[in-house]
Amino acid sequence: GDSVTQMEGPVTLSEEAFLTINCTYTATGYPSLFWYVQYPGEGLQLLLKATKADDKGSNKGFEATYRKETTSFHLEKGSVQVSDSAVYFCALTVPNQGAQKLVFGQGTRLTINP
Amino acid sequence: EPEVTQTPSHQVTQMGQEVILRCVPISNHLYFYWYRQILGQKVEFLVSFYNNEISEKSEIFDDQFSVERPDGSNFTLKIRSTKLEDSAMYFCASRRTGSTDTQYFGPGTRLTVL
Repeated sequence: GDSVTQMEGPVTLSEEAFLTINCTYTATGYPSLFWYVQYPGEGLQLLLKATKADDKGSNKGFEATYRKETTSFHLEKGSVQVSDSAVYFCALTVPNQGAQKLVFGQGTRLTINP
Repeated sequence: EPEVTQTPSHQVTQMGQEVILRCVPISNHLYFYWYRQILGQKVEFLVSFYNNEISEKSEIFDDQFSVERPDGSNFTLKIRSTKLEDSAMYFCASRRTGSTDTQYFGPGTRLTVL
C-alpha cells in the first residue's frame, strides 16, 4: 500500500541554521505530495505541495522538490527561526484514486533554539 | 479566510459512553474526512464522506464509528461505546473538489477516555 517515511526526530537546531527533513514515499499511482505543519496546540496547516514530478513547492522560506526518480520530497529551509518550531508531516494522496485520503508520515518535531 | 471548525476542543468521557465530535467544514467544500492521531503516532485516516455517504473507510472505522451530515453544515463523528484506545486527537478535514485540491484541517478535538 501507499506509505510515507520521514526522518526520525526530534530535530534541534540553532536559529539561522539550514534545515533538511527527509521524506520518501511509496505509492501505486502518481501521488501529489504535501508538507503539513502543526504548531503547538494547533491543527494541521498546509505548508506546501507539489502535484507532479520536478515541481517545487514553496512557502514561508520552505521548499521541497518532487523527485520521482528517488521517490522523495525533502523539506528544506535556508535559515530557520524560533517561530519554525513545530511538528512537520510529509503526506501523499493519489489523485483519482478513491477518496484521495491523505497518507501521513510519522511527523518530525523541530525545535529551534535562539 | 474560511476555516474548518471543530467542537469541543477537549472531551473527557468514561469508557463505554457514546461521544459525538462535531465539525463545520468550509462551506463550499464537497468532500469531508476524519483522521485521528494517537499521542506520539502518525495521523491516520478514518473515513471520507461525499454526497451524503461514506466513500471510503479504514480498518479502524468499525461498527462503533459512524458519521453523519445532519443539517448541511455540520459533519459529525460518533463513537458508540468508547474504549481506552480511542483516546486520541481527532481531526476533521474538508476539500472542495478536483483531484489536486488541498484538504483543510480543523484544530482537532482531543478525546480522553477514562
